[in-house]
Amino acid sequence: DAGITQSPRHKVTETGTPVTLRCHQTENHRYMYWYRQDPGHGLRLIHYSYGVKDTDKGEVSDGYSVSRSKTEDFLLTLESATSSQTSVYFCAISEGREQETQYFGPGTRLLVL
Amino acid sequence: EDQVTQSPEALRLQEGESSSLNCSYTVSGLRGLFWYRQDPGKGPEFLFTLYSAGEEKEKERLKATLTKKESFLHITAPKPEDSATYLCAVQAAHSGYSTLTFGKGTMLLVSP
Repeated sequence: DAGITQSPRHKVTETGTPVTLRCHQTENHRYMYWYRQDPGHGLRLIHYSYGVKDTDKGEVSDGYSVSRSKTEDFLLTLESATSSQTSVYFCAISEGREQETQYFGPGTRLLVL
Repeated sequence: EDQVTQSPEALRLQEGESSSLNCSYTVSGLRGLFWYRQDPGKGPEFLFTLYSAGEEKEKERLKATLTKKESFLHITAPKPEDSATYLCAVQAAHSGYSTLTFGKGTMLLVSP
């Protein structure tokens, strides 16, 4: 499982509240990613990180921010949650000579009421 | 824009009935094509990476092949435990940090 944990695994929150999801890895991977998965859309990249304090936007970054102050932790924050952000969120790391292969965590199921 | 289309959306097989899943892609320079398996309520599990047309990879009852426009995941004599959603993804040569573009997946159900 590439040593990836996500917390919380399930969360129910209300519209307008801030939410932070945590991804923790134990194998010193440099690259980390946040995806969301929705029916009919597949996996879509939200943000990614290529090192401590180095992050960039993905395909669906609006309404999300990220932070990476330590190699092992990559945080995803919904500043003010909306119902459209109800989804399953996956964290991933990459390995390989060119960091080409991604391995995923178990996911966080988020429901915004 | 990179695109990945998987077909069929869903496939139902009897145990032992071989078949193939398709992944068609459009990308400006392919760095790699990836297959994942995803069980309900879990994260995607890496299966294969293919890098160039003509390449093939095998794992148990699964065999992945690649052409310049598509990839196939062949399932030989499937068992019920092969039931899962299979995801295809591409990585473009212009992708600076290994970002992937995913298809929507094929849901496979194998009945005993």
